[in-house]
Amino acid sequence: DVKVTQSSRYLVKRTGEKVFLECVQDMDHENMFWYRQDPGLGLRLIYFSYDVKMKEKGDIPEGYSVSREKKERFSLILESASTNQTSMYLCASETGTYYGYTFGSGTRLTVV
Amino acid sequence: EDQVTQSPEALRLQEGESSSLNCSYTVSGLRGLFWYRQDPGKGPEFLFTLYSAGEEKEKERLKATLTKKESFLHITAPKPEDSATYLCAVQASSNDYKLSFGAGTTVTVRA
Repeated sequence: DVKVTQSSRYLVKRTGEKVFLECVQDMDHENMFWYRQDPGLGLRLIYFSYDVKMKEKGDIPEGYSVSREKKERFSLILESASTNQTSMYLCASETGTYYGYTFGSGTRLTVV
Repeated sequence: EDQVTQSPEALRLQEGESSSLNCSYTVSGLRGLFWYRQDPGKGPEFLFTLYSAGEEKEKERLKATLTKKESFLHITAPKPEDSATYLCAVQASSNDYKLSFGAGTTVTVRA
């Protein structure tokens, strides 16, 4: 089975801090994604990457950046955390058309 | 822009009481429509993919159907363990593997 691992389940950070969220997949997939999930809004795409060092903005990239130095690892960076970035962050890997995505367990980030 | 609307937002069922969840979508060329199940505090888990109108998929008490404008997830004789949030997503044939998600339907099944 494909495994997508997010390094932290819960994080509490202070306003203005630089925050790194890490995601690792074990199936050599080209495509990886970062979403945030908020009540009533569903999942919204922040960034995705289709190859090492390649990235594309999603629907809500403001305040975020990403890094993909190795194929298996896709990092989301909050340059200067703000309270409106408190959310559940979900990383996903592209399994193939049949399965859509495989998701990690999520990181619940609270910015105080 | 691709749009996905799920209804109702929440559904409370008695054990054994069958019901349906709706997913209405607008997409320029459908590559696939996906159903996921999400338990509290966890990431979504894949349930079904549907590709063309008229297609149906079944898994235990769940059955997904697809028309040109909407999909239904039917839950037959639900059990408490079917309680979860069910997410619908579409993938357009023109995009780079991106999925557009609905806000989800939270199902609670009481014993």
